[in-house]
Amino acid sequence: DAGVIQSPRHEVTEMGQEVTLRCKPISGHNSLFWYRQTMMRGLELLIYFNNNVPIDDSGMPEDRFSAKMPNASFSTLKIQPSEPRDSAVYFCASREGMNTEAFFGQGTRLTVV
Amino acid sequence: AQSVTQLDSQVPVFEEAPVELRCNYSSSVSVYLFWYVQYPNQGLQLLLKYLSGSTLVKGINGFEAEFNKSQTSFHLRKPSVHISDTAEYFCAVSESYNTDKLIFGTGTRLQVFP
Repeated sequence: DAGVIQSPRHEVTEMGQEVTLRCKPISGHNSLFWYRQTMMRGLELLIYFNNNVPIDDSGMPEDRFSAKMPNASFSTLKIQPSEPRDSAVYFCASREGMNTEAFFGQGTRLTVV
Repeated sequence: AQSVTQLDSQVPVFEEAPVELRCNYSSSVSVYLFWYVQYPNQGLQLLLKYLSGSTLVKGINGFEAEFNKSQTSFHLRKPSVHISDTAEYFCAVSESYNTDKLIFGTGTRLQVFP
């Protein structure tokens, strides 16, 4: 397996634009997580899915953020409209079960100017 | 709900010295515990994990951690560090049932000096 695949690796966009981040989890993994990493706040859990169903979205900052998982092999995190304070590295991770580790993608570095 | 605290944001140490990175967790149920390492501009990779059994867990690159239930701690140790160990280290906790939620601490930056 190629691991967790995220795209794009880097994204630069203007304030107010829509941004879509993509993630392909490892095949057979039941849970998928979206994290945001910043210097100030560390690694924050935004939302996680189990069997394609959103379980906990309490970490999503505000209504501008939304996430979907239409099938077991694909998830998106969308920011609309984007703001400069959304600039961060966004990680996707997947996990087979509760007693296993999570595997991380390489992250998407988002810069909103 | 579970939570993780890494009290040390930065730990400077000289090469070949021992190091301990501290991690404390909070949970109302039994937990699984993990340590991850992040090198610059990379994702996180697993160093070691505690699921059950022996409280002393050995991981990659000579690291080990000890689970202490009474102190709700899972400190990471290495007897002799190398320059290449310079990285960000994250402790994470997951409850053993009800939820897959995986929560991370804020990270500890280990800086190894020659």
